[in-house]
Order: sequence, then C-alpha cells, then structure tokens
Amino acid sequence: NAGVTQTPKFQVLKTGQSMTLQCAQDMNHNSMYWYRQDPGMGLRLIYYSASEGTTDKGEVPNGYNVSRLNKREFSLRLESAAPSQTSVYFCASRTRELATDTQYFGPGTRLTVL
Amino acid sequence: SQQGEEDPQALSIQEGENATMNCSYKTSINNLQWYRQNSGRGLVHLILIRSNEREKHSGRLRVTLDTSKKSSSLLITASRAADTASYFCATVPTDKLIFGTGTRLQVFP
Repeated sequence: NAGVTQTPKFQVLKTGQSMTLQCAQDMNHNSMYWYRQDPGMGLRLIYYSASEGTTDKGEVPNGYNVSRLNKREFSLRLESAAPSQTSVYFCASRTRELATDTQYFGPGTRLTVL
Repeated sequence: SQQGEEDPQALSIQEGENATMNCSYKTSINNLQWYRQNSGRGLVHLILIRSNEREKHSGRLRVTLDTSKKSSSLLITASRAADTASYFCATVPTDKLIFGTGTRLQVFP
C-alpha cells in the first residue's frame, strides 16, 4: 500500500496564478482532510470530506476550493494564489474502525507564492 | 483558533532522560491523540486516549488525560536521539481533529 500520496512535492507560483493539489489514498478510508502548516505552527484545517460526496469548511477555507472526486481522491484548488498562501500543505485520510481513530498523512506539498 | 496548546514549545534533553509534554484544550472531546512530525515530513500517529480513559501506555510512551482540567500529558521514557521531532496533540470534539501548536523535542546523544 502506498498510503496517502500527494502531488506535486514542490511548487512555485506567481500571485494570481491557479493550481490544484492532488491527494489520493489507497486505504479505503471514508474521511479525508486538507491542512496547511506555517513555519513553527501546528496544522490548521482548510477543508475536509467526511465521506464521498460531502465536503465541509474547516478553520481557514478562504481562498481555497476542494473536490472529492471519488473515495480515493480529494483535491485542493487555489483559484488565485496569494503570498499569504505560502505554506506546506498536508492531506490526510482517517479511519475510525473498531477501537481505532487514526489519521494518515501524506508527505506534503511545499508551496511558495511570489 | 486552535483547540490544543502544547507546553513547553521547545524541550532539550540528553539521551536516556525522560521527556514530558503537556497539552491543554478548550472544549469537550471524544478522544485525544498524539502525533509526531520529523522535520519536513507528514505527521505520524503515536497514541490515542479516549475521554473515559485516564492513562494509556504504548512502548516507551505514556499518555494521561484529565478531562476535568482539560489537559493531557505525553511522557517519553528513556529518550533516544531518534526521538528528536515535533510532537502535536490533536483533540477530537466531533468529526474533525484540531491540532495544537506542538512541542519541539531535541534529544542530544
């Protein structure tokens, strides 16, 4: 199993450009999440999808959109990138079977907006 | 705002010593989890403690939870240089995890 994969690993954008961050999981999890992590900070939730076909806003959704394409894939789109969106973006999927409640994280996408 | 606040923000110890990190949170929870992040990488789940549990062990990890004080602690015993990382608590009030700001642990050989 690959777990949670994210593409790209690195990206540099100019202000105003758009891009989509891709995330996929092969663990058959229902829930998926997008976070951003700024230097020296914890993770802040951008959007999440509790199950296929549903999405909800997290703590910092402004400037982002998401698509839960199918059970495996959950993408994050920046329509018009701003320097304040320079960050490391993590995707995660979550299992809550039996006694387990665990999030599995991807390796992250390091985004710089100039 | 973030639900969990870790204390201390940074901790430096020698190999073999114990490391204790604390987490305080604001609202009621279903469970509380601890994660570890090596520099530049994704977070890795360490241990979960449910709201009706007071203490849990996993290898060299010991977690306590005091719901009356809305606080938790993570103890790493006999630390190793490989334990150097950032540690985050995550509270689970409903269907999403809310992460704290983390404790950066440095273990010197």
